[in-house]
Parts: sequence; structure tokens; C-alpha cells
Amino acid sequence: GQQLNQSPQSMFIQEGEDVSMNCTSSSIFNTWLWYKQEPGEGPVLLIALYKAGELTSNGRLTAQFGITRKDSFLNISASIPSDVGIYFCAGTNAGGTSYGKLTFGQGTILTVHP
Amino acid sequence: GAVVSQHPSWVICKSGTSVKIECRSLDFQATTMFWYRQFPKQSLMLMATSNEGSKATYEQGVEKDKFLINHASLTLSTLTVTSAHPEDSSFYICSAPSGGRKAFFGQGTRLTVV
Repeated sequence: GQQLNQSPQSMFIQEGEDVSMNCTSSSIFNTWLWYKQEPGEGPVLLIALYKAGELTSNGRLTAQFGITRKDSFLNISASIPSDVGIYFCAGTNAGGTSYGKLTFGQGTILTVHP
Repeated sequence: GAVVSQHPSWVICKSGTSVKIECRSLDFQATTMFWYRQFPKQSLMLMATSNEGSKATYEQGVEKDKFLINHASLTLSTLTVTSAHPEDSSFYICSAPSGGRKAFFGQGTRLTVV
């Protein structure tokens, strides 16, 4: 089956620094999604990408859908303490009502020091 | 974004008993919902696809007789963990796809079997 490799596994940064994390897949996806999960909560959707090469922003977050359709990255600019959490990439090739059938990366644990 | 609600948020049960977890789409209809399981410090793994009005489809290795899924209406799917054992203790999360090719997650249910 499809495998997602997400890196780095964890990051410890100072407030104000920029952050970059990425995911690569062994096969192509037609959609990439980035989620943030806080302890004891479900994942919250940050950005959804639907086309190869697409670059999308959501506030201080920017994500891109790789041209090969096998990778995606997420950047966070000017990090703040509330950015702390686990960030997951997810990919899917499902369509229609099966659109929630996702394959997840291993997650990136982000710690921001004030 | 669309709202998906799970109940309960946490539950403790005795070994051998059954536990039911509800997943509701609050502001949209979902003919399909998805159930994931997440062990501590791990990623989300898809367990099964819940189909309104028909049988659920299970991922390889997931026991359908242990994890009973019922999708009785367009806004409600239930997961029943039957004859629960300590190894079933985990974080169970549901998701539902909504318009715009996005998948939204519930807040999760922490199951502890003692």
C-alpha cells in the first residue's frame, strides 16, 4: 500500500523562527491535506491541496503540492507558542463520498520556545 | 469548516464489556464516514469505512466482529467495541468528508479498558 514519510519527526524552535516540514509518498496522490493535532483532540484541517504545483496559504501557513504528486511541504512563518502541536500530512486518491479515506504521515511534533 | 462531533470524549470500561462511540455530522450530511485509531505517539490508522444504509468496509487486519459499525442515518455513525480488552485501549477518531473535497474530524474518544 501507499506509504507516507514525514520529516522531521520533531522540531524545537524559538518563537519567531520559520518552520518547514515535508511529506513524500511512494506513489502519487490527487489530494494532499495538512492537519494539526493537539493533545486529546482530533486533527484540525489546516490546508487542502488539489493540483500538482498548487501553492496555498492560510495565514502564516503555506503548503505546496509537489509537481510529481508524490510530495508536499508545509511552512509556518514567524512561529508563535500556540503553534505547538503535532502536524500531520495526509494524502488520498479517493473521490466522491470516499473523500475521507486518508493515508497519514507519521507526524511532526513542533515545540516553540518563547 | 464542517463540524463533526464525537461522543463520549472519554470512556473507561471493564474488560469484557462493550462500548459504543457516536460520530455525528452536525451541519452537513455524510453518506460515508471513516473510523481511525491512534495509539499514543503514533499516527492515525484507518480502521473502516462506514456506509449509510449498507455494511461497513474494514481495512485489512481489523476484526469486523469486534468493531461493529452502524451508519443508521445521514448524520450518525456508531462504532461499538465488543468484548473490549486492554489492548483495545486507544484514541478512536471519526471523520466525514464535506463539500470542497475536505475531510473533517471529530474530537476523538479516549477508550481505556481496565
